[in-house]
Amino acid sequence: GEDVEQSLFLSVREGDSSVINCTYTDSSSTYLYWYKQEPGAGLQLLTYIFSNMDMKQDQRLTVLLNKKDKHLSLRIADTQTGDSAIYFCAESIGNTDKLIFGTGTRLQVFP
Amino acid sequence: EADIYQTPRYLVIGTGKKITLECSQTMGHDKMYWYQQDPGMELHLIHYSYGVNSTEKGDLSSESTVSRIRTEHFPLTLESARPSHTSQYLCASSGYSYMNTEAFFGQGTRLTVV
Repeated sequence: GEDVEQSLFLSVREGDSSVINCTYTDSSSTYLYWYKQEPGAGLQLLTYIFSNMDMKQDQRLTVLLNKKDKHLSLRIADTQTGDSAIYFCAESIGNTDKLIFGTGTRLQVFP
Repeated sequence: EADIYQTPRYLVIGTGKKITLECSQTMGHDKMYWYQQDPGMELHLIHYSYGVNSTEKGDLSSESTVSRIRTEHFPLTLESARPSHTSQYLCASSGYSYMNTEAFFGQGTRLTVV
């Protein structure tokens, strides 16, 4: 079955880089996503990567995909207090486009 | 800005009541989803739909039911609410674009059953 795992909590100092990791089990994933959830709100898409790519950079965000190990990471450069939120990785499963989310990582940024 | 709306935002209701959580989107998306989010953050897919008259159960077993009579509307119903149904319910939709299946989320409905 599909399973997406993340570490639950990450705390970083403002200005440092944050790296949030995710592992998934379904090898038929077509797209992998990173979503951000701020308190009391729904999820917003941050970035995504197609499964045949290794890396994608989008301003302060860098996504790395190791398809062999089924490992996805999100690096946030120069982390700001406004980046404090819960971050979810998600995969779309093969032809179904069913979206399965990870357990979420709570990022806390302190001054 | 995403045009997907959930009502109500908050609902406190007694055990045994029937409730319907509303979700509407004006983007013409074919795919819609319901997720249940635990207090500890984890999101579980409970229902999804690929289009009108199509509904599927998700990975987490749920006593709720859904219907998709119109493209823009995907309501979730609990026939008899119980305290174990207390949770946050998030609705999402995504288009039928092969290149990008970005999902847009509603603000969520926080349900408390007392």
